[in-house]
Amino acid sequence: AQSVTQPDIHITVSEGASLELRCNYSYGATPYLFWYVQSPGQGLQLLLKYFSGDTLVQGIKGFEAEFKRSQSSFNLRKPSVHWSDAAEYFCAVGGSNYKLTFGKGTLLTVNP
Amino acid sequence: EAGVVQSPRYKIIEKKQPVAFWCNPISGHNTLYWYRQNLGQGPELLIRYENEEAVDDSQLPKDRFSAERLKGVDSTLKIQPAELGDSAVYLCASSRRGGGTEAFFGQGTRLTVV
Repeated sequence: AQSVTQPDIHITVSEGASLELRCNYSYGATPYLFWYVQSPGQGLQLLLKYFSGDTLVQGIKGFEAEFKRSQSSFNLRKPSVHWSDAAEYFCAVGGSNYKLTFGKGTLLTVNP
Repeated sequence: EAGVVQSPRYKIIEKKQPVAFWCNPISGHNTLYWYRQNLGQGPELLIRYENEEAVDDSQLPKDRFSAERLKGVDSTLKIQPAELGDSAVYLCASSRRGGGTEAFFGQGTRLTVV
């Protein structure tokens, strides 16, 4: 069965600091991987996705993520966090089975 | 282009009452999903449609939940009767086709059962 683990429930960083959110997945074949962001009371917005090719993918709002097959990881990074980045972040895995499975999310707090 | 539209945004009902949620996907998107998101959790798939056919409803509690997607466009998700444990946010999403393509989400309907 496919699954996603986001080990960090809550992360706090200072504005301007770098950020890395961890994501580990389990999937029996080549995965499609996604990072979504959810602001309070809002739906999910796609930050970036990996289907194939270059393992370092760029997304919106200055985010990037790196797919590491050997570690079954797809960690999200940003070099300098802005206060507006405070939100909940979800990693998701999908594939040819057409089922998208989400992790439990990581809540990001940004201190001024 | 217009995004995925859901209504209502909020709903409060008493237990044992029925409730329905409506979703209008992005034009041209053949795949439609209903997800449930419990507090502090990630979304969990309830049902997936390809056009008007429900191709994955394995996680839908069929004793009380039902869904339909007439004409392969709008969709309705119904709960009857509602239970306290059904309190959650119900998210609708759509994509051009299934598999790895990007799913676009609506703002969700927050259901509170009292």
